[in-house]
Amino acid sequence: AQSVTQPDIHITVSEGASLELRCNYSYGATPYLFWYVQSPGQGLQLLLKYFSGDTLVQGIKGFEAEFKRSQSSFNLRKPSVHWSDAAEYFCAVGGTTSGTYKYIFGTGTRLKVLA
Amino acid sequence: DAGITQSPRHKVTETGTPVTLRCHQTENHRYMYWYRQDPGHGLRLIHYSYGVKDTDKGEVSDGYSVSRSKTEDFLLTLESATSSQTSVYFCAISVEWSGAYEQYFGPGTRLTVT
Repeated sequence: AQSVTQPDIHITVSEGASLELRCNYSYGATPYLFWYVQSPGQGLQLLLKYFSGDTLVQGIKGFEAEFKRSQSSFNLRKPSVHWSDAAEYFCAVGGTTSGTYKYIFGTGTRLKVLA
Repeated sequence: DAGITQSPRHKVTETGTPVTLRCHQTENHRYMYWYRQDPGHGLRLIHYSYGVKDTDKGEVSDGYSVSRSKTEDFLLTLESATSSQTSVYFCAISVEWSGAYEQYFGPGTRLTVT
């Protein structure tokens, strides 16, 4: 079955500290992988994506993610967190099923940043 | 900004009443989606569309119907709203990029069923 797991529901880090959010997926074919961020009361914004090629991808706001096929993971990282990064983060996997394009989302990780 | 608008942005309705949410896009994208977002569940797909009059069910489609009579509009209808349908509803489109598709979301509609 296709699925996305974000094992950490909540994460708290201090401003300036490094961050890693975990994402594991189960998908039968080559996955297209995404990270989205959602600030309170807002919609979802695409942070970065992996389609193919270099397994380390860069996104907006200083975020990066690394695709590790052997571990079925696509973890999100940031070297130094800013207070404005406090939000909820969603990992997603997409692909073609029966000629149509669908996505599966994880349940999200809520990030709290301490001043 | 992917040119997606949703209306209404907020709605309170009573159990048993019909409700229609509208998603409008300005760029003629083929794929459109309706999700609901609930705490602890992330986003769950309700229905999606791959063209005018071409729609299919997602994982939580019971109690919902959709219609797409024009490329730019995708309507979600709750035929008889229940309290379990209180949620935030997001519309999304898929945009092709380098042979794959990335998804962009509207601002959401907060629906409360009393």
